Amino acid sequence: RKEVEQDPGPFNVPEGATVAFNCTYSNSASQSFFWYRQDCRKEPKLLMSVYSSGNEDGRFTAQLNRASQYISLLIRDSKLSDSATYLCVVIANTGNQFYFGTGTSLTVIP
Amino acid sequence: NAGVTQTPKFRVLKTGQSMTLLCAQDMNHEYMYWYRQDPGMGLRLIHYSVGEGTTAKGEVPDGYNVSRLKKQNFLLGLESAAPSQTSVYFCASSYSDTSKYEQYFGPGTRLTVT
Repeated sequence: RKEVEQDPGPFNVPEGATVAFNCTYSNSASQSFFWYRQDCRKEPKLLMSVYSSGNEDGRFTAQLNRASQYISLLIRDSKLSDSATYLCVVIANTGNQFYFGTGTSLTVIP
Repeated sequence: NAGVTQTPKFRVLKTGQSMTLLCAQDMNHEYMYWYRQDPGMGLRLIHYSVGEGTTAKGEVPDGYNVSRLKKQNFLLGLESAAPSQTSVYFCASSYSDTSKYEQYFGPGTRLTVT
């Protein structure tokens, strides 16, 4: 079983739409969670951390549900520039290894 | 401040050839990582290092070796390349408190083995 699983999409949404991605993880002892963004043929870059109480950064909201072992990312008022692949990342309880999901592809259409 | 750099950016190898990928970071990070990224598989950890002179195996270490002789450099070696090693290789680095600090990635090396 994979450490982290994501729906690969693709998600094609119109500008201004709200879109949500989910990601499940298998190790209940996982300690830290993140969302990264990867543009086509570029390296991944941190989008935001995911805190137990949930956190928001502008149009982006991240949630963690430890009981069901999933994290989510909500993007409101989608922009063309949001088009990218979104990777969820889980850190193992050892703290040394980052486990990446396969990514969810988002295209925002004019 | 260049961040994380990787050389080369592109390479084509024939089966059985060897090569070394170089990763360098100027952020004084303790931890460094090598990943490969393949379609539908996501990023998979090959090897990582938690400090100068130390290395450890990740999820997919077979066919690769690494060395961290200097804190700022992390080398990935392919002793006898195989077509299955065709991939995009990313190096990353981070501070040791991984719960708080992000990983910074290099631009990647696109390797094709024919």
